[in-house]
Formats: sequence, structure tokens, C-alpha cells
Amino acid sequence: NAGVTQTPKFQVLKTGQSMTLQCAQDMNHEYMSWYRQDPGMGLRLIHYSVGAGITDQGEVPNGYNVSRSTTEDFPLRLLSAAPSQTSVYFCASSYGAGGEQYFGPGTRLTVT
Amino acid sequence: SQQGEEDPQALSIQEGENATMNCSYKTSINNLQWYRQNSGRGLVHLILIRSNEREKHSGRLRVTLDTSKKSSSLLITASRAADTASYFCALYNNNDMRFGAGTRLTVKP
Repeated sequence: NAGVTQTPKFQVLKTGQSMTLQCAQDMNHEYMSWYRQDPGMGLRLIHYSVGAGITDQGEVPNGYNVSRSTTEDFPLRLLSAAPSQTSVYFCASSYGAGGEQYFGPGTRLTVT
Repeated sequence: SQQGEEDPQALSIQEGENATMNCSYKTSINNLQWYRQNSGRGLVHLILIRSNEREKHSGRLRVTLDTSKKSSSLLITASRAADTASYFCALYNNNDMRFGAGTRLTVKP
């Protein structure tokens, strides 16, 4: 199993550009989530999904969209990038909500 | 806020010593989890303790949970240089997961 994969590993955007961060898991997990981690801080939940077709907002959802058309994939879209979105983004999955989460390697995003 | 607060922020010990990290929180939880992160990589799950449990063990790790004091502790016994990492507590309640800012542990050989 590849576990949780994320692409790209690094990305530089200009203010106002949009992009999609990809996340996929091959463990048939129902619960998937996106976090951002800023320097010296813990992770903050952006959006999560409890199953295909179901998404909900986390602690810091503004400026981000998600969709969950399949169990495997959970892309995160930045609609109009801002410097405040410079961060490391982690995708995670678990069998069910509240379970042990498996994390991807992260995407380091810089917005100039 | 449901976010956990870890204490201390940083801890430096010698190999072979025990390391204790604490997590305090303010609201109710379904479970509390501890994760490790090495140098900005993805987090690795260590242990999950449910709100009706008081103590759990996994290898050299021991986690306690006191829901009356709204606090948890992670004990790493006989530490090794490879235990050097940041450790985070995560509070889970009703589909929402909140992480603390972490404790940076350095184990000197």
C-alpha cells in the first residue's frame, strides 16, 4: 500500500492564482481531512470528509474548497491564493472519524 | 477553543532518561491522541486514549488521561536519540480534531 500520497511536494504561487493540492489514499478509509501547519504551531483543520459526497468545514476553511467524489481522493482547492496561505499542508485519512490518522508527506506552499 | 496546550514547549534530556510531556484542554472530548513529527514531515500516530480510559501503554510509551482535570501526559521511558522529534496531542470531538502547538523533544546521545 502507498498509504496517503500528496502532490505536489513544493509549490510557489503568485497572489491571486488558484491551484489544487492532490491527496489520495489506498486504504479504503472513510474519513479524510486537510490541515495546515504554520511555523512553530500545531496543525489546524481546514476541511474534512466522513465519506464520498460528504464534506464539512474545519477550524480554518476560508479561502479553500474541497470535494469528495470518490473514497480515494480528496483534493483541496485554493481559489485565489494569498500570502497568508503560505504554509505546509497535510492530508490525512482514518477508518472512521476520530480514529488513528495516517498522514501524507505534506505540500510546502509559498504564496508571493 | 478546543485546542490542546502542551507543556513544556521544549525539553532536552540525555539518552536513557525518561521524558514527560503534558497536554491540557478546556472542553469535552471523545478521545485524545498523541502524534510524533520528525523535521517537518508528516505526523505519525503514537497512541489513542478514549475519554473513558485512564491509562494506555505501547512499548516505551505510557499515556494517562484525567478527564476531571482535563489533562493528559505522555511518558517516554529509556529515551533514545531517535526519539528526537516534536510531539503533539490532538483532541477529538464530533468529527473535529484540534492539535496543540507541540513539545519539541531533544534527546542527546
